[in-house]
Amino acid sequence: DQQVKQNSPSLSVQEGRISILNCDYTNSMFDYFLWYKKYPAEGPTFLISISSIKDKNEDGRFTVFLNKSAKHLSLHIVPSQPGDSAVYFCAARRTGNQFYFGTGTSLTVIP
Amino acid sequence: DSGVTQTPKHLITATGQRVTLRCSPRSGDLSVYWYQQSLDQGLQFLIQYYNGEERAKGNILERFSAQQFPDLHSELNLSSLELGDSALYFCASSGKTGLDEQYFGPGTRLTVT
Repeated sequence: DQQVKQNSPSLSVQEGRISILNCDYTNSMFDYFLWYKKYPAEGPTFLISISSIKDKNEDGRFTVFLNKSAKHLSLHIVPSQPGDSAVYFCAARRTGNQFYFGTGTSLTVIP
Repeated sequence: DSGVTQTPKHLITATGQRVTLRCSPRSGDLSVYWYQQSLDQGLQFLIQYYNGEERAKGNILERFSAQQFPDLHSELNLSSLELGDSALYFCASSGKTGLDEQYFGPGTRLTVT
């Protein structure tokens, strides 16, 4: 049972435009959400996180939005750069410290 | 470089065999997590250790076990291997709180033939 879903396996965006990656979850017990970026042949790298008590967190070009009523999370990258091309994983933490990851969205930023 | 090391990088073995994957966390990190990533799947959380004690358990099969040693390195033991166990196995470490970001190692690619 996939409790964290990333329904878009891939996304292509022009350099300089906004990239929006989406994530849906089913478990209302999740209290912390994270985004990771992964390049080929490397482990995932932490990008940004948000607590369930917030609805927005910003770090430079990266902003994460949380809509708890819709059980929806999104990552905005503005402006997108070619170096942002990678697979992005959404993750959620359940109380008890169990982590659930989505299947990833492959972002391609076209120069 | 995340500071997390995993060995070996690649492992090829036969069905029914047993293997051990090793992870050294970042200096100072007390928590170690293990994840499995099968083809076209997201990362599946297997188990977490904190300072030598099991802290959280995910979808870890009974054929799999892990431990964290006093020097904080961790080992994931996979036994009675099946073809479906072929996957990338990631180790991650984090600091004290469990809300800290996790730093992932480069992974061990296991192929069961």
